[in-house]
Amino acid sequence: KAGVTQTPRYLIKTRGQQVTLSCSPISGHRSVSWYQQTPGQGLQFLFEYFSETQRNKGNFPGRFSGRQFSNSRSEMNVSTLELGDSALYLCASRLGGANTEAFFGQGTRLTVV
Amino acid sequence: AQSVTQLDSHVSVSEGTPVLLRCNYSSSYSPSLFWYVQHPNKGLQLLLKYTSAATLVKGINGFEAEFKKSETSFHLTKPSAHMSDAAEYFCVVSDPTGANNLFFGTGTRLTVIP
Repeated sequence: KAGVTQTPRYLIKTRGQQVTLSCSPISGHRSVSWYQQTPGQGLQFLFEYFSETQRNKGNFPGRFSGRQFSNSRSEMNVSTLELGDSALYLCASRLGGANTEAFFGQGTRLTVV
Repeated sequence: AQSVTQLDSHVSVSEGTPVLLRCNYSSSYSPSLFWYVQHPNKGLQLLLKYTSAATLVKGINGFEAEFKKSETSFHLTKPSAHMSDAAEYFCVVSDPTGANNLFFGTGTRLTVIP
């Protein structure tokens, strides 16, 4: 059974640009969540999608957005990149319920220069 | 409200000695609890989970954790540390309401001294 796949693994972008990250969850998983991980702030929740609907959203500015497709694949977009957006972005998929574990992808390392 | 406190940001042990990583949680409901491990520049890997069954949970790589409701704790232990255990460990509580959020602790970095 294939795991969670995130692409690309590494990205270097310039301030002001925008970026799109992709996440393919485990087959059958309908919940996809995104997290930002930085040395200073740790793991921070961005948003969660379930059956193509955003179910939860963290405390991030509107420059961060996402969507989920009918096949459960998800994308997140960051517009007008800032240096502080440099981070490891992790995607997690879950079957659904609160007692189900999340499976994480390897992450996308975004560097903004 | 749900929250997780990892009591140590950094733990250092000698190879072959026991490991104890401490976690306390706060939850208004019967929680589901998880421990994850993260090696450098990698995603998080599930070590074990507690979902209201046996209070002593065994995970991968010789790790186990005990759920103690009276102490609101879910400490992670391993009898004998191995060099490959050096990593960051996260304690996580799941919100059982409709939101289904995961709440992460701030992590404990485990160093294993040869």
